[in-house]
Amino acid sequence: KAGVTQTPRYLIKTRGQQVTLSCSPISGHRSVSWYQQTPGQGLQFLFEYFSETQRNKGNFPGRFSGRQFSNSRSEMNVSTLELGDSALYLCASSLGLAGLPFFGPGTRLTVL
Amino acid sequence: AQSVTQPDIHITVSEGASLELRCNYSYGATPYLFWYVQSPGQGLQLLLKYFSGDTLVQGIKGFEAEFKRSQSSFNLRKPSVHWSDAAEYFCAVGARAGGTSYGKLTFGQGTILTVHP
Repeated sequence: KAGVTQTPRYLIKTRGQQVTLSCSPISGHRSVSWYQQTPGQGLQFLFEYFSETQRNKGNFPGRFSGRQFSNSRSEMNVSTLELGDSALYLCASSLGLAGLPFFGPGTRLTVL
Repeated sequence: AQSVTQPDIHITVSEGASLELRCNYSYGATPYLFWYVQSPGQGLQLLLKYFSGDTLVQGIKGFEAEFKRSQSSFNLRKPSVHWSDAAEYFCAVGARAGGTSYGKLTFGQGTILTVHP
């Protein structure tokens, strides 16, 4: 069974732009969570989706948004990029709300 | 609110030596506990998890961890470290509230493990 897939793997943007990251969960998994990893703040929870509904949200500004499609694939969007948004963005999928999270390889976003 | 503390930012051991990585958590009830490992530029790989039952849990790659409720700890151990174990290790706690998933994990700051030959 294929693992969690994240695209693109690397991304370079400039301040003020917006970006969309994609996550394809493991086949059959219906829950997708997103995390931001930075050297200063570590791993921080962004949000979680299950059955196309946001179930949990972390403490991030409204510039960070996400959605989940009927096939469980998820996207997250960051608008008006700031230098501090440079990070590794990790997606995790699980079978359901009480399922074990499996992480993808991440998308490395660099904001110049 | 739940929290996780990994007191050691960086640990160096010799190959073949034993290893213990410390993790302390704060949570109002019995938590779900996890240890993940991350190699440079990679995602997180699950080493082991504790949900309930036996407080000593076995994981992959020869790792084990012991849940100690009285000490709010979930330390990771390995009897003999291999050079390939060099990586960053993260302890995480998941919520265990009714209707709340543990898709929302709270992570410690991580411990970087260096292995000397």
